Amino acid sequence: SAVISQKPSRDICQRGTSLTIQCQVDSQVTMMFWYRQQPGQSLTLIATANQGSEATYESGFVIDKFPISRPNLTFSTLTVSNMSPEDSSIYLCSVVPGLAGSHNEQFFGPGTRLTVL
Amino acid sequence: GESVGLHLPTLSVQEGDNSIINCAYSNSASDYFIWYKQESGKGPQFIIDIRSNMDKRQGQRVTVLLNKTVKHLSLQIAATQPGDSAVYFCAENMMGGKLIFGQGTELSVKP
Repeated sequence: SAVISQKPSRDICQRGTSLTIQCQVDSQVTMMFWYRQQPGQSLTLIATANQGSEATYESGFVIDKFPISRPNLTFSTLTVSNMSPEDSSIYLCSVVPGLAGSHNEQFFGPGTRLTVL
Repeated sequence: GESVGLHLPTLSVQEGDNSIINCAYSNSASDYFIWYKQESGKGPQFIIDIRSNMDKRQGQRVTVLLNKTVKHLSLQIAATQPGDSAVYFCAENMMGGKLIFGQGTELSVKP
């Protein structure tokens, strides 16, 4: 498995501001993802964080709203830009440990609980 | 579009009983599935996975069954304990490692 940490664990923000969430893994991983979990809902994939290149976004998510960085194989950031109350969610990063293919166990960080007022 | 869904949003069981959580998926080409447990305030915790070349896989107190004919997954928890109380999600692994999650089932264990 992999040990994944996220910062901050929670935050309360004012609308119109931006928040950057960090995800740190204790080992190098090829595959890293960002998910959103709205209150009482399931998880939805935002994007795949690609090391050294632009992230790959899912339908309904755009780079201007959720810019992602992936400078190396152990770290990524997700920014939630120009926030509105609808962005209040838990944001989670996940990884497939090691440098293997995609059909392997995927582990999640503890999440960042964001509330936008 | 493709989706993974659960039959029951809530499940209440007596401590010591067996629990069965069901999940339907829609993509017949899917070949890898994962069950997660999510406790309040935490990220999803990997429980068990299964590949499409198997129809059953067992872990510690958990068993996952896969029926490809009807595109159905189930998670069985033996001798359910209060610590098993959580929301359980099935997830379908798509190309590139992307996961499509089901809606989740909340399991409540009564002492």
